[in-house]
Amino acid sequence: KAGVTQTPRYLIKTRGQQVTLSCSPISGHRSVSWYQQTPGQGLQFLFEYFSETQRNKGNFPGRFSGRQFSNSRSEMNVSTLELGDSALYLCASSLGRDKYNEQFFGPGTRLTVL
Amino acid sequence: QKEVEQNSGPLSVPEGAIASLNCTYSDRVSQSFFWYRQYSGKSPELIMSIYSNGDKEDGRFTAQLNKASQYVSLLIRDSQPSDSATYLCAVNPDYGGATNKLIFGTGTLLAVQP
Repeated sequence: KAGVTQTPRYLIKTRGQQVTLSCSPISGHRSVSWYQQTPGQGLQFLFEYFSETQRNKGNFPGRFSGRQFSNSRSEMNVSTLELGDSALYLCASSLGRDKYNEQFFGPGTRLTVL
Repeated sequence: QKEVEQNSGPLSVPEGAIASLNCTYSDRVSQSFFWYRQYSGKSPELIMSIYSNGDKEDGRFTAQLNKASQYVSLLIRDSQPSDSATYLCAVNPDYGGATNKLIFGTGTLLAVQP
């Protein structure tokens, strides 16, 4: 069974631009969560999608948004990029929304904002 | 107080020894706990999940949970140089509803010396 895939793997943008990242979960998994990882803040939860609906949101500004499609694929968008948005963006896939669900991470998208 | 705390390390152990990694969490209602391994430049990889007090073994790995003390640990027996990585403790805070949100510690860097 294929794992979680994320595209693109690397991205370089300039301040003020916007970016869209894509995530395809493991086949059969319906929940997708997004995390941001930086050296200073570690891994932080961005948001969670299930059945095309955002179910939970972390403490990030409204410039960070996302959506989920009927095939469970998800995208996240960051508008008006800031230097501090440079990070590894990770997508995690799980079967459902039970607290016992195990989450499996994709390889991540490394975003650099210049 | 951080919600999930880990000693950042580095924890240095000789090859063949037992490595003991510790994690404490602040939210007493947390029900599910996960250990991830992250190699430098890679995404987190799920090693173990644990939900009940006591020990859970999987190969060379043993997770231990003590909810009364709000403490979870990971033991790695017969440590190998290939185990050298950052180990992340993650907790599902379970704020009264189904969620896949995980709160991560900052990770412990393990170095296994040949």
